[in-house]
Amino acid sequence: GAGVSQSPSNKVTEKGKDVELRCDPISGHTALYWYRQSLGQGLEFLIYFQGNSAPDKSGLPSDRFSAERTGGSVSTLTIQRTQQEDSAVYLCASSLLAGVSDTQYFGPGTRLTVL
Amino acid sequence: GQQVMQIPQYQHVQEGEDFTTYCNSSTTLSNIQWYKQRPGGHPVFLIQLVKSGEVKKQKRLTFQFGEAKKNSSLHITATQTTDVGTYFCAALSYNQGGKLIFGQGTELSVKP
Repeated sequence: GAGVSQSPSNKVTEKGKDVELRCDPISGHTALYWYRQSLGQGLEFLIYFQGNSAPDKSGLPSDRFSAERTGGSVSTLTIQRTQQEDSAVYLCASSLLAGVSDTQYFGPGTRLTVL
Repeated sequence: GQQVMQIPQYQHVQEGEDFTTYCNSSTTLSNIQWYKQRPGGHPVFLIQLVKSGEVKKQKRLTFQFGEAKKNSSLHITATQTTDVGTYFCAALSYNQGGKLIFGQGTELSVKP
């Protein structure tokens, strides 16, 4: 596609519910990142996929968070039993090659609100 | 793991004044990238610096990479209201599987 797309653009959920956020990276990009950005804050790294390698999950804040990347393309970030502190914008980015000087292209983000 | 420190966190300037944000690392960086995030938007790539002492310009923006490749700066001359946003530096981390490490960002506001 023309760029990184994310869905939904906005998600409002009740505390305790599970949510799934989707990221479609640029076709052919091998690296995919998920970040979380709270209002007025910086980028909080969550997870990183690079090709067929095991993902770097070092940024996931708790075991309620998980992510997968199917077929080396689309990725879903799942948050179980959502809490109010999970409210943030979740950004996905992809790059052609990781471990190389390569630009990250960001999607528009999913704004998650947990009531 | 590798960290990239960015200062200041916030900067408020009058339109026409200059602005600089700094990025520092305790380890030598292979390269550094700069991104801009407009209010309500997502980060967008601005530039990449690779060589020691490299200086690149984009109109009123000047990007520098330190001689030791441990620091970098972004300088905006004569700011305009269109410069408003958060500027992030990011560096490649070889010892973390090639992951890009972002600085905390500098939020720039410009008073007209």
